[in-house]
Amino acid sequence: GENVEQHPSTLSVQEGDSAVIKCTYSDSASNYFPWYKQELGKRPQLIIDIRSNVGEKKDQRIAVTLNKTAKHFSLHITETQPEDSAVYFCATRGSTLGRLYFGRGTQLTVWP
Amino acid sequence: DADVTQTPRNRITKTGKRIMLECSQTKGHDRMYWYRQDPGLGLRLIYYSFDVKDINKGEISDGYSVSRQAQAKFSLSLESAIPNQTALYFCATSDPDRGGADTQYFGPGTRLTVL
Repeated sequence: GENVEQHPSTLSVQEGDSAVIKCTYSDSASNYFPWYKQELGKRPQLIIDIRSNVGEKKDQRIAVTLNKTAKHFSLHITETQPEDSAVYFCATRGSTLGRLYFGRGTQLTVWP
Repeated sequence: DADVTQTPRNRITKTGKRIMLECSQTKGHDRMYWYRQDPGLGLRLIYYSFDVKDINKGEISDGYSVSRQAQAKFSLSLESAIPNQTALYFCATSDPDRGGADTQYFGPGTRLTVL
């Protein structure tokens, strides 16, 4: 099956700084790359996703970039705010319409 | 998201007991999943079902079983609970769109403690 590695496992930034979380995957057939955010005591929720035919996607302060050749994709959060503090999970799908494979998560803390 | 519900929300049980966690959804999705979350280990897939007649094992299915009673209901059972099954359990549903996106909608979670 797919192997998804996510780094770093913890990340602390000052409010207003940028945060970057990176994931690598093993299956070259992977074609869908979502990111989920889980606030403390809450359920994970999708914040952004990207398909394999797109290199970058932005939504306000968050963006995802994909490098299919190197098999890695990254989440970028700019102008971080305390409410961005959460655990972030990357995921991939190894084949068309198959199940998702999740990374282990990154605990992001934004200090005011 | 009240469309995906889990019962119970919290459960404390003893080693060796059989317990069932239930998941119901009103989203009309064919796909349902059971995940386990442990600190530092992320979301690990236990079982998943792509329609009523379909059941598939995930990475950590040993010690668990599932039943897909209807499109809307997917139950997870621990036949004989053990302490290392203490964890937060999430049910999720999804419905892939024509473009290939497959957003997963998670339930509120069930916190299970096995003593």
